[in-house]
Amino acid sequence: DAGVTQSPTHLIKTRGQQVTLRCSPKSGHDTVSWYQQALGQGPQFIFQYYEEEERQRGNFPDRFSGHQFPNYSSELNVNALLLGDSALYLCASSLARTGLNQPQHFGDGTRLSIL
Amino acid sequence: QKEVEQNSGPLSVPEGAIASLNCTYSDRVSQSFFWYRQYSGKSPELIMSIYSNGDKEDGRFTAQLNKASQYVSLLIRDSQPSDSATYLCAVKPPNAGGTSYGKLTFGQGTILTVHP
Repeated sequence: DAGVTQSPTHLIKTRGQQVTLRCSPKSGHDTVSWYQQALGQGPQFIFQYYEEEERQRGNFPDRFSGHQFPNYSSELNVNALLLGDSALYLCASSLARTGLNQPQHFGDGTRLSIL
Repeated sequence: QKEVEQNSGPLSVPEGAIASLNCTYSDRVSQSFFWYRQYSGKSPELIMSIYSNGDKEDGRFTAQLNKASQYVSLLIRDSQPSDSATYLCAVKPPNAGGTSYGKLTFGQGTILTVHP
């Protein structure tokens, strides 16, 4: 049973560039959430996708956008990269449609470095 | 006031001792509470979830929840050096519209060191 997979594992970009990160949820999960984790901090919620729609959004600028595909996989896009965007980007998946409390399971993350 | 607060530590305990990790949250309607363990350079790993007041035990781990005091804790019995990690407390609001999606709000994490 494959868990949450993210790609790439590491990425180096320069200021002003654009980046796309990818996530495949755990088998059977239908919801994908994205988090940004700066060094020494807890993860910060970016947004969450369920049924191919953005359901909730954290306090991140419009430079951060996303998408969920019919197979539940998801992409996170960041435009006009800033030095402050350097962080570990985490994808978490869960099962929403049961209506019961379901924990989120994290992938290994993408380490993004901006030069 | 931060939404979820944890002592950043580091918390240092000897091998075999009980480690006690604490977390407070500000949103009184929060419904679900989670403890994640994160080793250095790795992603968070779920170790406990708790949804109702009281204690929940799983092996060496016990989660305690007191919604009146807006307080959740994690006890690790017989601490081992392999328990050395950052422990993240996460809080989730009530379920929305018959589904269970919703964002997690994390504390900054408590660094635990278990020394032999």
